[in-house]
Amino acid sequence: DSGVTQTPKHLITATGQRVTLRCSPRSGDLSVYWYQQSLDQGLQFLIQYYNGEERAKGNILERFSAQQFPDLHSELNLSSLELGDSALYFCASSETGTRNTDTQYFGPGTRLTVL
Amino acid sequence: DAKTTQPPSMDCAEGRAANLPCNHSTISGNEYVYWYRQIHSQGPQYIIHGLKNNETNEMASLIITEDRKSSTLILPHATLRDTAVYYCIVRVSATSILTGGGNKLTFGTGTQLKVEL
Repeated sequence: DSGVTQTPKHLITATGQRVTLRCSPRSGDLSVYWYQQSLDQGLQFLIQYYNGEERAKGNILERFSAQQFPDLHSELNLSSLELGDSALYFCASSETGTRNTDTQYFGPGTRLTVL
Repeated sequence: DAKTTQPPSMDCAEGRAANLPCNHSTISGNEYVYWYRQIHSQGPQYIIHGLKNNETNEMASLIITEDRKSSTLILPHATLRDTAVYYCIVRVSATSILTGGGNKLTFGTGTQLKVEL
């Protein structure tokens, strides 16, 4: 158990819909990261938040957005869903997010299926 | 980030040592080597990291060559539960992080380790 929690575990929805994935970081961690893992793309970094502010962006679509709240939990919002958005979505957290010795710990993931 | 090269798959007998190689010939002097593993669609699990010295923890040992162009992750007594995809990742330097480069992990395709009886 990494200490990072994600809800829900599974999500099934239809094309065009909007969903929200939630992540609670490990106690004391200030940074939250979102990653997407699809069959054809592997594990890809989406976005990082540090203490409530966006720190870095990866290959995140404009239809996707995220935020980190004052209690440090984070939400990833996916809208206008397409079949290709079906994937595993992982959240990770780290103590700061500003050091290359900052270990990231991953949650169990949310499996999104778009029908 | 420095590119890494790993064999796509390896087999290991249970109870034997599993030695997983990784090439990172373009690594910079202050970039760390990290290893994660992912067991069948679970969240990636941190294993170990190092800069230039060999490292050991309760899960594994990490051997980094003197020129730092390659490393080997060693699972001393592999079990069936060690069957997973193992990722070798080189972390971006601290300078890039401090100037706004973020702290992402760049995953490659990894090595699928299969531990068999």
